[in-house]
Amino acid sequence: SQQGEEDPQALSIQEGENATMNCSYKTSINNLQWYRQNSGRGLVHLILIRSNEREKHSGRLRVTLDTSKKSSSLLITASRAADTASYFCATDEGNTGKLIFGQGTTLQVKP
Amino acid sequence: SAVISQKPSRDICQRGTSLTIQCQVDSQVTMMFWYRQQPGQSLTLIATANQGSEATYESGFVIDKFPISRPNLTFSTLTVSNMSPEDSSIYLCSATPASGGTDTQYFGPGTRLTVL
Repeated sequence: SQQGEEDPQALSIQEGENATMNCSYKTSINNLQWYRQNSGRGLVHLILIRSNEREKHSGRLRVTLDTSKKSSSLLITASRAADTASYFCATDEGNTGKLIFGQGTTLQVKP
Repeated sequence: SAVISQKPSRDICQRGTSLTIQCQVDSQVTMMFWYRQQPGQSLTLIATANQGSEATYESGFVIDKFPISRPNLTFSTLTVSNMSPEDSSIYLCSATPASGGTDTQYFGPGTRLTVL
């Protein structure tokens, strides 16, 4: 079953603008991971944020986690056409290592 | 990190046939998993590939349809048996490295399967 709900489902912005994607989940987690997928290819790991962390940065990416609201956000600053992709959040299921994925946000960055 | 390769990258198959997908990791990993991504959908976990023992399947997936092997720490196969057009999907393997103390899960490039 899908644990994560992501919004928006689709986002279209101009190059240089910021893009924010949100993810909500239902159960307690140890960590939450964000992935990027280009045109139905494999998933590229972006960031892992642990349940005791509130914010994490990696280059132009900023991820926040609010465990009280069971939600996370991914911010991409100064977007580029190459950022066009689908973005997924995934939460772990207990200590099993299994990931439960959100429905994903499709981002289009127009040059 | 872990670099994961999959073979084949894509295939077109006739209904009723079977296809075996291979997944190779460049380093030792603890956990290996197989996911399915149906057209326009998110990823759904098929099973956990256990080294030297039977895989653990998620609800809705059975061994007869998706037999999985994992003979060692770096290699696994998924077979899609008796295929039908509904099996047309991207199949992805993933793994968690044994070293580094991280839970990061890395994915292979996927196998795009079309069943006619």
